[in-house]
Amino acid sequence: EVHLVESGGGLVQPGGSLRLSCAASGFTFSSYAMSWVRQAPGKGLEWVSTISANGGSTYYADSVKARFTVSRDSSKNTLFLQMNSLRGEDTATYYCAKLLAGSQTHFDYWAQGTLVTVSS
Amino acid sequence: SYELTQPLSVSVALGQTARITCGGNKIRSKTVHWYQQKAGQAPVVVIYRDVNRPSGIPERFSGSTSEDTATLTITRAQGGDEADYYCQVWDSSTAWVFGGGTKLTVL
Repeated sequence: EVHLVESGGGLVQPGGSLRLSCAASGFTFSSYAMSWVRQAPGKGLEWVSTISANGGSTYYADSVKARFTVSRDSSKNTLFLQMNSLRGEDTATYYCAKLLAGSQTHFDYWAQGTLVTVSS
Repeated sequence: SYELTQPLSVSVALGQTARITCGGNKIRSKTVHWYQQKAGQAPVVVIYRDVNRPSGIPERFSGSTSEDTATLTITRAQGGDEADYYCQVWDSSTAWVFGGGTKLTVL
């Protein structure tokens, strides 16, 4: 059974940094692209970033480009999101999600979400 | 950039049919997925690749697409169907795109 478990969320001041982790199990982690999707309080879903199965390609939403970095450690079956220069508008629940296959496929498994609050 | 437009809310009487639309330029040329998100939970895919239901999703859920609109149809609506619903596509210029979401209320 597929499990995605996130950690690393919390309260951070504007301009600060935070690193999210997503531990995966129940599937061959190194064979699948992984993504981060966020949801601001009371708002809709927003795609944030995707990393290819081998980690060689990364993709970012314009809203986070140059501030966030996605990476993965296939030896530990873990996905990461390094978030720098955080702003109030980055406050959201962050979900890691597995892509079924290529870019046009859907997110077939989602983690439970971790809340990031950017506030002084 | 590519955008998807959904109504903020849809209401349906218990046992009737709900239709949630997702508008996008030439959306028929894209692959549309639909997610259900209940309060306090992570999203779950209910329709993928326009018309396909994952295992465990009732046959009451179906998807269709016309030139500029994708539609999620829920027949015989139940109280347990109350949730937010999101459409999603991949676009070559915008990457992964979600609609703004539609809150379904079952009366």
